[in-house]
Amino acid sequence: DSGVTQTPKHLITATGQRVTLRCSPRSGDLSVYWYQQSLDQGLQFLIQYYNGEERAKGNILERFSAQQFPDLHSELNLSSLELGDSALYFCASSLGAEAFFGQGTRLTVV
Amino acid sequence: GENVEQHPSTLSVQEGDSAVIKCTYSDSASNYFPWYKQELGKRPQLIINIRSNVGEKKDQRIAVTLNKTAKHFSLHITETQPEDSAVYFCAASRANQGGKLIFGQGTELSVKP
Repeated sequence: DSGVTQTPKHLITATGQRVTLRCSPRSGDLSVYWYQQSLDQGLQFLIQYYNGEERAKGNILERFSAQQFPDLHSELNLSSLELGDSALYFCASSLGAEAFFGQGTRLTVV
Repeated sequence: GENVEQHPSTLSVQEGDSAVIKCTYSDSASNYFPWYKQELGKRPQLIINIRSNVGEKKDQRIAVTLNKTAKHFSLHITETQPEDSAVYFCAASRANQGGKLIFGQGTELSVKP
């Protein structure tokens, strides 16, 4: 167990819908990262938050947004979902250099 | 932009043989290089890392080497076992700036008994 908790584990939704993925970082970690992993693909960096502020942005679609709350948990919001958004979404957290991943949320858009 | 290239994409070895996976990074300011192992449908797990002030690091059957000049780093697994079969990802970041991890494309390692 990495100490990073993601909910839900699985999510099935229809095209055009909006979903929210949640991540609770390890105790004491200030940074939260979101990654997307499509079938047979690598880990694509979406966005990073550090202590509530956006720190870095990757190839995140405009339909996607995220935030980190005062208690340091983070949410990734995906809207106007398309079939191609089906993927594993991972959250990771770190205090320093070492990042630890949650178990992921498997999103299926039908 | 920042990029990490990883080779090979697939690697098949016999149990007991060694496996080597190589990565090249583009951002010369990168100073932290972790390796993750991901089993099917599971989370990536950190197995070893190396920082830019070190050329080599070893942990039992796993070792990593770093060539800062060439911007190359490699993962070496000796005496491979079937349970080593997984996808391995290298990554690079500017750790002292709280930098994001940029991952390579992954190597699917298969260890045949």
